[in-house]
Amino acid sequence: DPKIIQKPKYLVAVTGSEKILICEQYLGHNAMYWYRQSAKKPLEFMFSYSYQKLMDNQTASSRFQPQSSKKNHLDLQITALKPDDSATYFCASSQETANTGQLYFGEGSKLTVL
Amino acid sequence: GEQVEQLPSILRVQEGSSASINCSYEDSASNYFPWYKQEPGENPKLIIDIRSNMERKQIQELIVLLDKKAKRFSLHITDTQPGDSAMYFCAASGGGSNYKLTFGKGTLLTVTP
Repeated sequence: DPKIIQKPKYLVAVTGSEKILICEQYLGHNAMYWYRQSAKKPLEFMFSYSYQKLMDNQTASSRFQPQSSKKNHLDLQITALKPDDSATYFCASSQETANTGQLYFGEGSKLTVL
Repeated sequence: GEQVEQLPSILRVQEGSSASINCSYEDSASNYFPWYKQEPGENPKLIIDIRSNMERKQIQELIVLLDKKAKRFSLHITDTQPGDSAMYFCAASGGGSNYKLTFGKGTLLTVTP
């Protein structure tokens, strides 16, 4: 059973619309992350959270907004979608920091923007 | 921030031979270097890692070497099998941020029978 649940697994959106990617982890981890994977930029870091606080943000655009309602949740809201946003978005988690323990990845949400 | 270069981007080897992937990093403060394997349509999975207090680590057919002076690390897969065919990513962490793992661009390894 996957311990990091991402929903939906696949989604198609039209340009200009808004989508929310859901991520819940059941590993008891304190840090959560979002990564984006596309043909152009494999495994690109986006955000990291620890104990529901933003630690790092490498996303230039404010169209991407992480939302953490609980310690084991880190959703990603994407507004004003563009075709360039098409990618697989991976949620990940680690016990504490990224360099003290293994990073576990969810199964990904594949977004296609038309 | 940290930058990780990974070469080669494509690697084709014959079954039973060795495969080597090389990575370099920029931030001398980075202290953790994992390797991930990703099969088509799946998520990346950790296969081996090394910390800056080590120079070499081996898990079965996987060997990782770290040269801190040169800021390079490498993955060596000995006695490759078709099941080793996948995308491999190196990464570095612990420099400017403890909450960020910076990945290389990946190496697509194909092991032919």
